[in-house]
Amino acid sequence: GAVVSQHPSWVICKSGTSVKIECRSLDFQATTMFWYRQFPKQSLMLMATSNEGSKATYEQGVEKDKFLINHASLTLSTLTVTSAHPEDSSFYICSALKGGGADQPQHFGDGTRLSIL
Amino acid sequence: KQEVTQIPAALSVPEGENLVLNCSFTDSAIYNLQWFRQDPGKGLTSLLLIQSSQREQTSGRLNASLDKSSGRSTLYIAASQPGDSATYLCAVGPDYNQGGKLIFGQGTELSVKP
Repeated sequence: GAVVSQHPSWVICKSGTSVKIECRSLDFQATTMFWYRQFPKQSLMLMATSNEGSKATYEQGVEKDKFLINHASLTLSTLTVTSAHPEDSSFYICSALKGGGADQPQHFGDGTRLSIL
Repeated sequence: KQEVTQIPAALSVPEGENLVLNCSFTDSAIYNLQWFRQDPGKGLTSLLLIQSSQREQTSGRLNASLDKSSGRSTLYIAASQPGDSATYLCAVGPDYNQGGKLIFGQGTELSVKP
């Protein structure tokens, strides 16, 4: 199998706090991981592509300084929401690619529900 | 710009019925197409992946087809069960970013009544 673990699954914190979310590929190495954001009853929107050992590639409209991504190893990528505000409350999901072929699906974590008070 | 649309947005069927979920995309230059299942408050489970050179894939009661020329894919679920209730998402991998980003449709929320 190809298992992706995301932690924490749920976090509630005060406005102004920075929150770190971890995404780990448990049984495979992932050179590329992706971070998505999902609002209630809406689809997933790609925020950034995370490549091991290099800077992340952010989608248009996503603030790099707000959403810090670190892909320090082949099994771990982290997303830090800096100085979080209520509008950052959302469901954040990561995914990882086991390989680059057209036959390789993306494997998703279970998501992190972030609530900023 | 690639856009992915799923119809219907919601569907309710009695148990045992066969059903079809639709996905359309505007740019036929795709690398692959994936169907996912999402349960409430959870991440995504990959159901089927169709490479751009393929026309269909099957797994158990699920069959996904792909027609690149018309920009369409369908997910067929046979003999539906209450456990199939979930949101089904279609996602296209663009050819220009092979093996990379996915562009998602809005999903179809399926409810199978016992």
